Amino acid sequence: AQKITQTQPGMFVQEKEAVTLDCTYDTSDPSYGLFWYKQPSSGEMIFLIYQGSYDQQNATEGRYSLNFQKARKSANLVISASQLGDSAMYFCAMREGGYTGFQKLVFGTGTRLLVSP
Amino acid sequence: EAGVTQFPSHSVIEKGQTVTLRCDPISGHDNLYWYRRVMGKEIKFLLHFVKESKQDESGMPNNRFLAERTGGTYSTLKVQPAELEDSGVYFCASTTLDGDPKEQYFGPGTRLTVT
Repeated sequence: AQKITQTQPGMFVQEKEAVTLDCTYDTSDPSYGLFWYKQPSSGEMIFLIYQGSYDQQNATEGRYSLNFQKARKSANLVISASQLGDSAMYFCAMREGGYTGFQKLVFGTGTRLLVSP
Repeated sequence: EAGVTQFPSHSVIEKGQTVTLRCDPISGHDNLYWYRRVMGKEIKFLLHFVKESKQDESGMPNNRFLAERTGGTYSTLKVQPAELEDSGVYFCASTTLDGDPKEQYFGPGTRLTVT
């Protein structure tokens, strides 16, 4: 069964430093997609970055990059140059199977990131 | 373009009462999903609509939960009767049928508190 594990319930980082949020996954399907979402205190889920299982390069979106290590089944999120506004909950999620227009996601328990001045 | 909207943003009810949550997906999005996050736990899939049809309701916890999407537009999720363990945040998300796999748009959630 597919499963997402986020082992860091909370992380602290100083402003302008980089931080890595861990995510490991388990699936027997060779085709899957991995997502990271940010949930600020206002509650909405904000899409950050996506990595397909067959993508050759690690995904990057601005200050966000995904360190995808397929053999280790890990998909860590790296936030460079942290900002105070990055303080939020971060969820790793996975879609199993090739994309068919159906996006049932399995989520981890989340990591709360606190950025200090 | 308006995003996914959910109403109410917060609902406080007593055990045994009924609550109906509403989700308005992005216009033209035929896929609609409901998820729930119980405090401190992961966000879990509840069910999936394609237009007005339920495609997958494997995540619905029990028969106290009823989801509908009449006309294939907005969806409602009714909890009747509510129990304490139903407290959590209920998210709705929508996508097109054949859009970019990155594009799953979430609503702001409805925080349900059952006392």
